[in-house]
Amino acid sequence: QKEVEQNSGPLSVPEGAIASLNCTYSDRVSQSFFWYRQYSGKSPELIMSIYSNGDKEDGRFTAQLNKASQYVSLLIRDSQPSDSATYLCAVGIQGAQKLVFGQGTRLTINP
Amino acid sequence: NAGVTQTPKFQVLKTGQSMTLQCAQDMNHNSMYWYRQDPGMGLRLIYYSASEGTTDKGEVPNGYNVSRLNKREFSLRLESAAPSQTSVYFCASSELSAYNEQFFGPGTRLTVL
Repeated sequence: QKEVEQNSGPLSVPEGAIASLNCTYSDRVSQSFFWYRQYSGKSPELIMSIYSNGDKEDGRFTAQLNKASQYVSLLIRDSQPSDSATYLCAVGIQGAQKLVFGQGTRLTINP
Repeated sequence: NAGVTQTPKFQVLKTGQSMTLQCAQDMNHNSMYWYRQDPGMGLRLIYYSASEGTTDKGEVPNGYNVSRLNKREFSLRLESAAPSQTSVYFCASSELSAYNEQFFGPGTRLTVL
């Protein structure tokens, strides 16, 4: 079983709608969870981090964490064509100074 | 601040040639990382250095060596390049903390013929 799993997509969402991206992880004791955005040909850019259960909002982005279900999600409200990118979920490994990344979900926002 | 910088941006090698990829960060981070990214494979950790003076293997270390030259710089060496090492290589850095937020450099696109 992969440590961090994401649906690879592509996920297609109309402009102005809510895009919902999901990620599950296998390490029950993980403490840190991240969402990175990666445009084609560019490097990953950190857009959200979350460390405790519940929701964390930053502008149009909301990260949601449920440690009991080992599930983390990213909601993008009022989706814009500029949100079209691959979104990578990353989970911190307890006791080790490293992250494990999912394969990424490719998101396309249709005007 | 430049953040994380990598050189070169692009490189073409022939099988068997060697090269070193350079990475530097100006954020005073303790930890540095080398990843490779292949289509459909996501980001895979090659080697990392949790702090100056230490290095550890990641998920795919075979065929690579690293040097943590000082707190700012972390290099990745391919001693005898193989076509399977054709990939995009990213360097990242983070503070030494339980949360490990990592920040990435722009990447090096390497082709081995």
